[in-house]
Amino acid sequence: GAGVSQSPSNKVTEKGKDVELRCDPISGHTALYWYRQRLGQGLEFLIYFQGNSAPDKSGLPSDRFSAERTGESVSTLTIQRTQQEDSAVYLCASSLRTQGEDGYTFGSGTRLTVV
Amino acid sequence: DQQVKQNSPSLSVQEGRISILNCDYTNSMFDYFLWYKKYPAEGPTFLISISSIKDKNEDGRFTVFLNKSAKHLSLHIVPSQPGDSAVYFCAASEVFGNEKLTFGTGTRLTIIP
Repeated sequence: GAGVSQSPSNKVTEKGKDVELRCDPISGHTALYWYRQRLGQGLEFLIYFQGNSAPDKSGLPSDRFSAERTGESVSTLTIQRTQQEDSAVYLCASSLRTQGEDGYTFGSGTRLTVV
Repeated sequence: DQQVKQNSPSLSVQEGRISILNCDYTNSMFDYFLWYKKYPAEGPTFLISISSIKDKNEDGRFTVFLNKSAKHLSLHIVPSQPGDSAVYFCAASEVFGNEKLTFGTGTRLTIIP
């Protein structure tokens, strides 16, 4: 597609339930990132995939968070046993590995509300 | 520990005047800096970047200045236009390119017609 696509755009879930968020990056972009933005805060790095390399998971806040990427395409971010503090906008971005000066392309995000 | 700080949560500027958005950082390993612009209900969009080997980068109405000794960068928009009203995020990376950016909390810029 022309841009980074995320689904769903909004998700309301009950505390304790698992959720799965999906990201379709721009075709040909080898790098894929997940960030989140909690209310009143900046974007917080979660995880980074680059080609076939092992992902950089250093930003995942707890072991309830995990992410997978199929080849150089779709990625899913899974949050198990959701907590209220997980409420945030989850943003996915992709980039060409060599496109160093042009920044990421972000999707519109998934707004997750845990009630 | 907020490594990238945008101390002004909001800024209002008259249309046609200069908008100056500021950003400070604490990590001396940061080598590459970017500005993103975000409209409501949309993802951030890349605006302009600068590497630590430069002190200025210009793109049309947008200029980014970097003062490494002060660990400070700023974004100048001139002249400001109503469409510039958005939240602006400063971001930094330890390596050239896009890996693992650290973002500030953003400054909401409002351009007054």
